Amino acid sequence: GQNIDQPTEMTATEGAIVQINCTYQTSGFNGLFWYQQHAGEAPTFLSYNVLDGLEEKGRFSSFLSRSKGYSYLLLKELQMKDSASYLCAVRDSNYQLIWGAGTKLIIKP
Amino acid sequence: GAVVSQHPSRVICKSGTSVKIECRSLDFQATTMFWYRQFPKKSLMLMATSNEGSKATYEQGVEKDKFLINHASLTLSTLTVTSAHPEDSSFYICSAKVGLAGSSEQYFGPGTRLTVT
Repeated sequence: GQNIDQPTEMTATEGAIVQINCTYQTSGFNGLFWYQQHAGEAPTFLSYNVLDGLEEKGRFSSFLSRSKGYSYLLLKELQMKDSASYLCAVRDSNYQLIWGAGTKLIIKP
Repeated sequence: GAVVSQHPSRVICKSGTSVKIECRSLDFQATTMFWYRQFPKKSLMLMATSNEGSKATYEQGVEKDKFLINHASLTLSTLTVTSAHPEDSSFYICSAKVGLAGSSEQYFGPGTRLTVT
């Protein structure tokens, strides 16, 4: 079966750095996405990786290792508004998105 | 950036009635639209994929006669929840994609919170 694993919840301090990991086993791979979702709102796109390596976009970076079935989202200089759920999703061989359950990130002052 | 709208944002209906949710791509033509359902503290569950002018493809376990999807144009898809029951109460989100399967991004609508009383 297809499976996306990410931690259920993480806590970090304002101004610090946090890394949210995602491991996947899917039938085929056509890219990995990270989305941010605030409570009661739809997800918003953060990043897309299809090749191995690190993609940096401001305070957020995303890393992919296809051979390990592994990705992480790195958030730097954390702000209170970063408190949200972070969803990892993989596009499989049928170009469908397989979603992880999301990681709830709690930022403390 | 690409904008997807949904209407209504919130709806409360009585059990047994039908509710229609609209999803529109405002500044682009969406060849494919997706409908998701999200339960509290759960991830997104894909319900169906619809391509303009053709029948929607439903995921296993999703009743196509209960969740009617119409993708009449390249900018509009509708989801109708028929004979709604309290267990249909959920957050429904649509997304739209441009172009071929290799396109990198889906654009999400803001979601519709349905409460069935």
